[in-house]
Amino acid sequence: EAQVTQNPRYLITVTGKKLTVTCSQNMNHEYMSWYRQDPGLGLRQIYYSMNVEVTDKGDVPEGYKVSRKEKRNFPLILESPSPNQTSLYFCASSPTWVSGVIETQYFGPGTRLLVL
Amino acid sequence: GENVEQHPSTLSVQEGDSAVIKCTYSDSASNYFPWYKQELGKRPQLIIDIRSNVGEKKDQRIAVTLNKTAKHFSLHITETQPEDSAVYFCAASTQGGSEKLVFGKGTKLTVNP
Repeated sequence: EAQVTQNPRYLITVTGKKLTVTCSQNMNHEYMSWYRQDPGLGLRQIYYSMNVEVTDKGDVPEGYKVSRKEKRNFPLILESPSPNQTSLYFCASSPTWVSGVIETQYFGPGTRLLVL
Repeated sequence: GENVEQHPSTLSVQEGDSAVIKCTYSDSASNYFPWYKQELGKRPQLIIDIRSNVGEKKDQRIAVTLNKTAKHFSLHITETQPEDSAVYFCAASTQGGSEKLVFGKGTKLTVNP
């Protein structure tokens, strides 16, 4: 089944304790992205990757790191989580058309993070 | 950078009525405008999109219109059904595709039976 998976789905942690949220897709998509969703703020892009070893900042990259060593995986790393990073996180992926255009993004199920 | 404003934040309609959600964008270079639907507790899903070289696009009961001069675009849902109840997000991108999407804050649509 074609899908985007995220782990863990729920996480409670404490300030300063490094954590990684994994994202994996089995659709051979070149493009992957991370968003956070907060009430009243909608979806905001954290980082995105156009292909292996190619990453770029979105609108809210502060406090986050990513890596893209393999096409299928795009982990989100919080080196020193803080309470303001409590949020619902979505990973997404998309194929690249021959023209180079990215269109439909397929979202993962989300990871709900609480930082105490 | 791009800023996307979405209105209204909540919308309640009777089943069978039409619903319209409006978005404005700030960057005149934006050229790709998708709409996502997010049902309660679920992930966002693309429902329709439009590019800047098109003024209107329809898909069954859903349509999107774009006014480049005024820098606004709208989602129209006709003959609404209870299963249309969800949060709808508009977005804009200057990249020609969805690489770097800026989303509106969302509209919670409730369709009353």
